[in-house]
Amino acid sequence: DAGVTQSPTHLIKTRGQHVTLRCSPISGHKSVSWYQQVLGQGPQFIFQYYEKEERGRGNFPDRFSARQFPNYSSELNVNALLLGDSALYLCASSPRASSYNEQFFGPGTRLTVL
Amino acid sequence: AQTVTQSQPEMSVQEAETVTLSCTYDTSESNYYLFWYKQPPSRQMILVIRQEAYKQQNATENRFSVNFQKAAKSFSLKISDSQLGDTAMYFCALGGGSNYKLTFGKGTLLTVNP
Repeated sequence: DAGVTQSPTHLIKTRGQHVTLRCSPISGHKSVSWYQQVLGQGPQFIFQYYEKEERGRGNFPDRFSARQFPNYSSELNVNALLLGDSALYLCASSPRASSYNEQFFGPGTRLTVL
Repeated sequence: AQTVTQSQPEMSVQEAETVTLSCTYDTSESNYYLFWYKQPPSRQMILVIRQEAYKQQNATENRFSVNFQKAAKSFSLKISDSQLGDTAMYFCALGGGSNYKLTFGKGTLLTVNP
């Protein structure tokens, strides 16, 4: 079975631009979470979606938004990019909306903002 | 607020030896889960081991075991018979309660030397 997939693998943007990152969960998983991992740090929670509804939001500005589609795939959007948004963006899926279950991580999208 | 602290940024061990990674946490939740995740260089993050807070028995997965001290809010990972493939960044994470996020520590970079 395919694991969590993310696209694109790498992305280079300039300050002020907009970016969309995509994630496909493991088949049968209905929950998708997004994390930001700055170099040398642990992942920071951004959002969790379950059954197309936002179930949790981390301490990130409104420039960050996400949505989940009927097939449970998800998009993370970041507007007005700042240099500090440069990071590895991780998507994780799990069968249900909770932080009790194992979360299965994708390979991440490496975003560089110049 | 939930916090996770990993006080060892880097550690090294000789192949076949045993190493222990430290983690302390803080939470106001009565029911929570603790995790150790492994992130090999340029590879996906995977779950190593999980501990349910209400279980007194320490979790064990093959060469990996934990020492869970609930009163001290300590959750260390012991790796026995270290192998070269254990070289990775190890993250301690805390989940549970009413929120849906995992809170990660900053990680410990473990290098296994031949």
